[in-house]
Amino acid sequence: QSALTQPASVSGSPGQSISISCTGTSSDVGVYNYVSWYQQHPGKAPKLLIFDVSDRPSGVSHRFSGSKSANTASLTISGLQAEDEADYYCSSYTSSNSQVFGGGTKLTVL
Amino acid sequence: EVQLVESGGGLVQPGRSLRLSCAVSGFTFDDYAMHWVRQVPGKGLEWVSGISWHGINIGYADSVKGRFTISRDNAKNSLFLQMNSLRAEDTAFYYCAKGLYTLHDSLWSWGQGTLVTVSS
Repeated sequence: QSALTQPASVSGSPGQSISISCTGTSSDVGVYNYVSWYQQHPGKAPKLLIFDVSDRPSGVSHRFSGSKSANTASLTISGLQAEDEADYYCSSYTSSNSQVFGGGTKLTVL
Repeated sequence: EVQLVESGGGLVQPGRSLRLSCAVSGFTFDDYAMHWVRQVPGKGLEWVSGISWHGINIGYADSVKGRFTISRDNAKNSLFLQMNSLRAEDTAFYYCAKGLYTLHDSLWSWGQGTLVTVSS
């Protein structure tokens, strides 16, 4: 159950698009379409942004999108806004009947 | 409105036990899987354990397997985490989270967390 690999930080200017990668293995991301993405603002509980690789819960902006190729999932945020500045975490179901999170990525909006 | 309220955190000595509770409202508790996730202050999220709606399918992170036990009381709309043989590295905020039906589903709603500090 090793943590999924995410970049520690990414940055972008308002209006730009950024992507955050999430690399797992053939025991998690590579074999299941149960990848989720969460947003966490400081001092707040995480919020679900993407489920099942690319689906958005009702109420989540269409600026957030997810995809997956082989062992790597990605979260793309288009039209960056100041309020997007937060920590982002991916997660995946695993063959051990567990879930595993990525180490988290801090997004800075310049 | 979905609400999840954790309780039971606090300061505990290494090797001792603690039981966390999560009281829920705003949804039909026994229709949904539930999870515990922890976060060391300033660090990332770590999935701890999950339990299916009927309590039959249970999973644990390797880091807590054999020491922690998840359970639920559907009649009382409550989720529990019994934590035994606590270690300093178990110090974290513990979040209760609502899934869907099975352990592979995403975590749709989260509580605000309860802090567990393991220290002598």
